[in-house]
Amino acid sequence: AQTVTQSQPEMSVQEAETVTLSCTYDTSESDYYLFWYKQPPSRQMILVIRQEAYKQQNATENRFSVNFQKAAKSFSLKISDSQLGDAAMYFCAYRSLNYGGSQGNLIFGKGTKLSVKP
Amino acid sequence: DAGVIQSPRHEVTEMGQEVTLRCKPISGHNSLFWYRQTMMRGLELLIYFNNNVPIDDSGMPEDRFSAKMPNASFSTLKIQPSEPRDSAVYFCASGGNRAKYFGPGTRLLVL
Repeated sequence: AQTVTQSQPEMSVQEAETVTLSCTYDTSESDYYLFWYKQPPSRQMILVIRQEAYKQQNATENRFSVNFQKAAKSFSLKISDSQLGDAAMYFCAYRSLNYGGSQGNLIFGKGTKLSVKP
Repeated sequence: DAGVIQSPRHEVTEMGQEVTLRCKPISGHNSLFWYRQTMMRGLELLIYFNNNVPIDDSGMPEDRFSAKMPNASFSTLKIQPSEPRDSAVYFCASGGNRAKYFGPGTRLLVL
């Protein structure tokens, strides 16, 4: 079974600075998707960025980028020029591409609570 | 697109009452998921539909929980009878091949 681990329960960053959130996962599969979701106090789950495992190039979305290390099974999220609105829980998630069972299900880490200081 | 729509957004009920949560997925998405989020257990998958067919309901806690998807644009999650330990935020998510999009959630409180 796949697992996702976020080892930082809480992180803090100064506004306009850069912060990196860590995520590691365990799987025996070779092809899969990885995601970062943001959950602000409103509790809405918002997709931030995704990475296909077969792509070597790291995904980027504006101020958000990932460092995907497939061999190390590591998938960290970097937030540049942090803004007050970035304060939220961030969840790393894994999705298998294998058919059958819970194909398509997202396996979530426990989350990292990010605080942004003005 | 309006995104995934869930109703109600908040529900307060008394133990023993029936609760029905509703979800309208994003048009064109062929998969729909019901998740539950609590402080203790985090995000848990309850049930997953593909093309309106339940594929995996192993996460449904017990017989008090049931879910249906009568058509591609509507799903319900029912709890009968409800218990205080069912208090949580319930998310519906829909997706195509590359991403899952979540609804705003239903915050359920069972007294």
